[in-house]
Amino acid sequence: DAGVIQSPRHEVTEMGQEVTLRCKPISGHDYLFWYRQTMMRGLELLIYFNNNVPIDDSGMPEDRFSAKMPNASFSTLKIQPSEPRDSAVYFCASTYTAGGGYTFGSGTRLTVV
Amino acid sequence: QQQVKQSPQSLIVQKGGISIINCAYENTAFDYFPWYQQFPGKGPALLIAIRPDVSEKKEGRFTISFNKSAKQFSLHIMDSQPGDSATYFCASSTGNAGNMLTFGGGTRLMVKP
Repeated sequence: DAGVIQSPRHEVTEMGQEVTLRCKPISGHDYLFWYRQTMMRGLELLIYFNNNVPIDDSGMPEDRFSAKMPNASFSTLKIQPSEPRDSAVYFCASTYTAGGGYTFGSGTRLTVV
Repeated sequence: QQQVKQSPQSLIVQKGGISIINCAYENTAFDYFPWYQQFPGKGPALLIAIRPDVSEKKEGRFTISFNKSAKQFSLHIMDSQPGDSATYFCASSTGNAGNMLTFGGGTRLMVKP
């Protein structure tokens, strides 16, 4: 398996622009998580899905953030409009109900200027 | 999210020495305690994990020690090598909620040659 695949690896955008981050989980995994990592706040859970359904989005910072999972093999995290304070590394991770650890993607480094 | 407190924030160890990272949790319902290793530019990767039915688990040079009564667990890296230099995260979860992990703040380990 190729693991969890995220794209793009790097994104530089101007304040106010829309940003879409993409994730392909491991086939067969029924849970998908979006995390944000910053030096100040560490790893923060933004939202997670089970069987493509959003379960907990309490970590989403504000209405500018939205996430979707239209099918078992694809999820997006969208920021509209983006702000400089959104600059961070965004990780997607997946796992399955039977347990075990998460498998993280390599992340998307977002810079909003 | 329930807190998981990790210490120290950074650690410098000489090659061949023992690296020790500690974590404390609050939620007595937690029953899964993994450690993740993250190299620069990569996502966290599962290193080793323990469940509370045992007090210690060893995999190669990496050992988790678990103290259920104190609600603490630690990672020991024996014979530390420069290649072990990375950021380490402890985490905890219950068997519910899709094994949703709560992460510690991370420890940046540097092993000097």
